[in-house]
Amino acid sequence: SQQGEEDPQALSIQEGENATMNCSYKTSINNLQWYRQNSGRGLVHLILIRSNEREKHSGRLRVTLDTSKKSSSLLITASRAADTASYFCATDGAQKLVFGQGTRLTINP
Amino acid sequence: EPEVTQTPSHQVTQMGQEVILRCVPISNHLYFYWYRQILGQKVEFLVSFYNNEISEKSEIFDDQFSVERPDGSNFTLKIRSTKLEDSAMYFCASSEHVFYSFGGYTFGSGTRLTVV
Repeated sequence: SQQGEEDPQALSIQEGENATMNCSYKTSINNLQWYRQNSGRGLVHLILIRSNEREKHSGRLRVTLDTSKKSSSLLITASRAADTASYFCATDGAQKLVFGQGTRLTINP
Repeated sequence: EPEVTQTPSHQVTQMGQEVILRCVPISNHLYFYWYRQILGQKVEFLVSFYNNEISEKSEIFDDQFSVERPDGSNFTLKIRSTKLEDSAMYFCASSEHVFYSFGGYTFGSGTRLTVV
């Protein structure tokens, strides 16, 4: 079955640095999405990249997709304390999303 | 910005009791979903709903679960006889289109269900 798996599981960096999270999946996809979840809260959709796209930007976010390697990365530039959260990739699977375990990002002031 | 609203935010129930989790999707959205997240684990798909019927359901969504859109605005998840392992955060989501076509979902803030 399709499965998004993120690495690292946890990432701790200093404010202002860039954070990169990776996601791998197993089967072909129509699109891949990234979500953020603050502790104990809901999921916030960040960005969607379609299978025919290789890179997408949204503000300080940059997502890449390599369908040949079945992988994606999320880059957050110039990190802020408010970026502290868990980040999940999710792949589509015929009317449902399949989420990975997530990367827990901590931004230290 | 339009939101998906879920109530209650936290519910504690006795094992074996029925619970109804409520959601108000975004008004012009046509597709509705329930997901759950057991503490410390992945977000898991439960069910999708379109045109007043279930489109797809996971193996988690057994006979204890049911969904309903009782009126034009609410979307509910009922758990008939709760078990301890049903304790989780339940997320409702909606989308304007079948998601792989155009955009992501909008998720609600979740209902934390605690079964004791």
